[in-house]
Amino acid sequence: KNQVEQSPQSLIILEGKNCTLQCNYTVSPFSNLRWYKQDTGRGPVSLTIMTFSENTKSNGRYTATLDADTKQSSLHITASQLSDSASYICVVRGYNTDKLIFGTGTRLQVFP
Amino acid sequence: DSGVTQTPKHLITATGQRVTLRCSPRSGDLSVYWYQQSLDQGLQFLIQYYNGEERAKGNILERFSAQQFPDLHSELNLSSLELGDSALYFCASSVGQVDEAFFGQGTRLTVV
Repeated sequence: KNQVEQSPQSLIILEGKNCTLQCNYTVSPFSNLRWYKQDTGRGPVSLTIMTFSENTKSNGRYTATLDADTKQSSLHITASQLSDSASYICVVRGYNTDKLIFGTGTRLQVFP
Repeated sequence: DSGVTQTPKHLITATGQRVTLRCSPRSGDLSVYWYQQSLDQGLQFLIQYYNGEERAKGNILERFSAQQFPDLHSELNLSSLELGDSALYFCASSVGQVDEAFFGQGTRLTVV
């Protein structure tokens, strides 16, 4: 069982709409959680990084939340744009370890 | 541009051959990570170096090896290549071992 699970696996929305992506993790103890955006065939780009003590962090139209008690995180995208079409990857680092544990991502497609 | 440079961008080679992928981290970054991403799959952590020393190992095959040089650039060596090794190989770097990681644009390896 993957230590970082994301849902949905894929999502299609219309331009201008909002959406929320979910990430559940079992990594414990936990150091930080990151959300990356990966365009097809390109390297992932960091959107947010949150430590266990942070509940929310925003980056423009992207807002990430974290509930360390339930081990859940969400990424909310507001007023989606065509350029938001990409894979969104949740990544968790355990406490005092160098390894990053990647979820398999949510593939988002924004249609006009 | 993340500041992480990977060469070559594309590589086509035959089964049984050996290739070397190169990564130059961002200026000042001491940690280098290598990842493999097969078609439509999530990122799989291979190995991490910090200031020239191996720090963490993931699902790296024995046919694969890596090293980080004194100037902090890193090379990933893939030998006895098989068709299933065809993938995108990403390098990422970070300042330390828990900081945000920045990804290169990847090397697309095709084994024929």
